[in-house]
Amino acid sequence: EADIYQTPRYLVIGTGKKITLECSQTMGHDKMYWYQQDPGMELHLIHYSYGVNSTEKGDLSSESTVSRIRTEHFPLTLESARPSHTSQYLCASSDRDREETQYFGPGTRLLVL
Amino acid sequence: KNQVEQSPQSLIILEGKNCTLQCNYTVSPFSNLRWYKQDTGRGPVSLTIMTFSENTKSNGRYTATLDADTKQSSLHITASQLSDSASYICVVSDRGSTLGRLYFGRGTQLTVWP
Repeated sequence: EADIYQTPRYLVIGTGKKITLECSQTMGHDKMYWYQQDPGMELHLIHYSYGVNSTEKGDLSSESTVSRIRTEHFPLTLESARPSHTSQYLCASSDRDREETQYFGPGTRLLVL
Repeated sequence: KNQVEQSPQSLIILEGKNCTLQCNYTVSPFSNLRWYKQDTGRGPVSLTIMTFSENTKSNGRYTATLDADTKQSSLHITASQLSDSASYICVVSDRGSTLGRLYFGRGTQLTVWP
């Protein structure tokens, strides 16, 4: 099992609240990713990072922001949550080997009321 | 447009039976194709990876095939177990950008009944 962790696993909050979803990995991987997944739908890349101080937006437009101050830590922040942000958020990391297999965390299920 | 289509959308089989899941893709230029297993409430876990030159790869009771000419892949599960109940996701990687972008299918939801 991959050494990549996400907290909280489940979160129910009210509209307008600021939240931070935590993601950390102990594999020393340079690349990290955030995906959004709705039930029965494909994963959509919302942010990625090639290393410390590197962050980029993914394919799916998102109002969230990310930071990469340390290699092992890649938190995602929503300044003002809305019901449209209700989804599952998956964090992943990959090494710089040829196959670049992505290892996923268990996900955070977010419900915004 | 780069796409990954999976079929069937859902499948119910009895324990001990075999099944085959399908994946068609239009991703170009092609780099590799992965099958992931995603248990309910968990993140996806890689089962197999195949590059252009590989046409079959096994991982225990899971066997993946790839036909790069027709852009089709299949995942065959032998002697299914209750623990095989999960969503199986086909993921294709391109090398058309420095990111090596991944294209995800919507998955096939497999349910194994006792």
